[in-house]
Amino acid sequence: GAVVSQHPSWVICKSGTSVKIECRSLDFQATTMFWYRQFPKQSLMLMATSNEGSKATYEQGVEKDKFLINHASLTLSTLTVTSAHPEDSSFYICSARSGGGEQETQYFGPGTRLLVL
Amino acid sequence: AQKITQTQPGMFVQEKEAVTLDCTYDTSDPSYGLFWYKQPSSGEMIFLIYQGSYDQQNATEGRYSLNFQKARKSANLVISASQLGDSAMYFCAMRGNSNYQLIWGAGTKLIIKP
Repeated sequence: GAVVSQHPSWVICKSGTSVKIECRSLDFQATTMFWYRQFPKQSLMLMATSNEGSKATYEQGVEKDKFLINHASLTLSTLTVTSAHPEDSSFYICSARSGGGEQETQYFGPGTRLLVL
Repeated sequence: AQKITQTQPGMFVQEKEAVTLDCTYDTSDPSYGLFWYKQPSSGEMIFLIYQGSYDQQNATEGRYSLNFQKARKSANLVISASQLGDSAMYFCAMRGNSNYQLIWGAGTKLIIKP
């Protein structure tokens, strides 16, 4: 299957700082990547759809100025949590589309655990 | 509206037994895709199996098979000969025809007992 990397895997930061998370498709090009947030014992919550070369599409209730997304190339999307606060502590996971048509599949990165103190 | 329902919050299964994880869906799209992902405690989401709405046969991938019953709108995952390493959260998801996003179920926590 397709490989997606995510960096860093763990982040501990002070309240008020910004944190950048990278999502890379290693062996395929991804015009679209997705950013999810997951709270303990819950399902994935889609935050935004990241499109290469254009602005991200945010889900309702997700602050675009808080969660900055940049999809600068066909293999890299970044999520920046600006002025992080303890309530932003969560597991953030990205995915990238691979394939096309009926066989299209989303492949996921290993996730980033963010702890804001 | 599209919806995925996983009614089993948790399951305990004896090692080497087969296990069925339930998933029902609701959609008005004529074309859709159904996915199962495994999430171990490490957090990564591992793609397991895919079933297209127009596929005539049930999908199979190694020990994983998908029991697709279109009329009942169900897409249960069957794991044969369960192993201790199968212990994880399992999520059912659906992709609609109108966009590329996935709709997720609440997940089922599977624990394999030795």
